[in-house]
Amino acid sequence: TQLLEQSPQFLSIQEGENLTVYCNSSSVFSSLQWYRQEPGEGPVLLVTVVTGGEVKKLKRLTFQFGDARKDSSLHITAAQPGDTGLYLCAGAFNTNAGKSTFGDGTTLTVKP
Amino acid sequence: GAVVSQHPSRVICKSGTSVKIECRSLDFQATTMFWYRQFPKQSLMLMATSNEGSKATYEQGVEKDKFLINHASLTLSTLTVTSAHPEDSSFYICSASLERTDTQYFGPGTRLTVL
Repeated sequence: TQLLEQSPQFLSIQEGENLTVYCNSSSVFSSLQWYRQEPGEGPVLLVTVVTGGEVKKLKRLTFQFGDARKDSSLHITAAQPGDTGLYLCAGAFNTNAGKSTFGDGTTLTVKP
Repeated sequence: GAVVSQHPSRVICKSGTSVKIECRSLDFQATTMFWYRQFPKQSLMLMATSNEGSKATYEQGVEKDKFLINHASLTLSTLTVTSAHPEDSSFYICSASLERTDTQYFGPGTRLTVL
């Protein structure tokens, strides 16, 4: 079974704080995606990382792909209430018919 | 680009009826589409992989006769929940991937409530 462990599961912080969400696996991914989902809506793609060691920034969000392509992190700087949502990581394998393995998600609440 | 739509967004039906959910890729052709089910405050559970022009591949534990999937064109896949029961009530989400890429783009989801 190709598992993707995501932590923490729940995170409640005050506006302005920083946070990091982790995704870890024993498997090597061909690529990894991060999504953000709001209640009652579908997940929205934030980023795709492909190269080991890759770092991508999206405003206050920084995504890193591990050197071995087995893990990834999402760091949010100065969180805002608008960052509240369910964050999902998804790892893809070249040989898996296009399917991705999803983490269990991190529910982030940013209090004003 | 890479916009996926779903219809309907919400549906309420009586127990025993069938419900069809459509998933469309609006600005790209999707050889592969995926259907997920999501329970409150949980991650996505893959139900099946839908390939254009061929039979869908179902995940273990998903009844193919219960959840009929048709992928008749490169921009449309449908999921039909047959003889729906209250336990089928859930949030159903589809996704589509661009050819030769791993990234999936998701539809907005369909909230199904079976009375």
